[in-house]
Amino acid sequence: DTEVTQTPKHLVMGMTNKKSLKCEQHMGHRAMYWYKQKAKKPPELMFVYSYEKLSINESVPSRFSPECPNSSLLNLHLHALQPEDSALYLCASSQDGTSGSGETQYFGPGTRLLVL
Amino acid sequence: LAKTTQPISMDSYEGQEVNITCSHNNIATNDYITWYQQFPSQGPRFIIQGYKTKVTNEVASLFIPADRKSSTLSLPRVSLSDTAVYYCLVGGGNRDDKIIFGKGTRLHILP
Repeated sequence: DTEVTQTPKHLVMGMTNKKSLKCEQHMGHRAMYWYKQKAKKPPELMFVYSYEKLSINESVPSRFSPECPNSSLLNLHLHALQPEDSALYLCASSQDGTSGSGETQYFGPGTRLLVL
Repeated sequence: LAKTTQPISMDSYEGQEVNITCSHNNIATNDYITWYQQFPSQGPRFIIQGYKTKVTNEVASLFIPADRKSSTLSLPRVSLSDTAVYYCLVGGGNRDDKIIFGKGTRLHILP
């Protein structure tokens, strides 16, 4: 199974809402990632978890809060977002996160987020 | 992390071989070169990875010259379904490498 699943597929939220994005993989990977992708732009790395510990935070605003309950699950908690946060949010996993972009990453289909 | 430069877009025709070149002049000794494909509204998909010379899999070939300052992704006999954005990433020497997707190449296959 080389699949990374993400839920929900689409999400519309107001600026005062709290919502969560979920990601799951069953490949035995020990690294998981969150990316943000705006239209016609490349994915931008937000967070990396390696062995359930946050290893990289690319200076992401605190209104985005990642959580890794176990090695198979990754959440992104959203609170007080702004309209400019509307984007495709991608989750990925890889072997263990010790080789940066040298590790093959397996991406989910993404959650399309719209902030009103 | 080595910066990468790719053509912004390319057009080709069905059945042709397509070569997309990526420049990475300051690639480090331990860096790998990795290519991903992305269709609209989907996550990127790993295509191929190499370190030197030539790598081939069932989807593509990757050619890397001796100085490793560039690499070429070769897609044999493309079809309409190969229309996508192709990203070249360079890195992987260590855990602290920043993972940066370049601007990518938008490949448009014409019938």
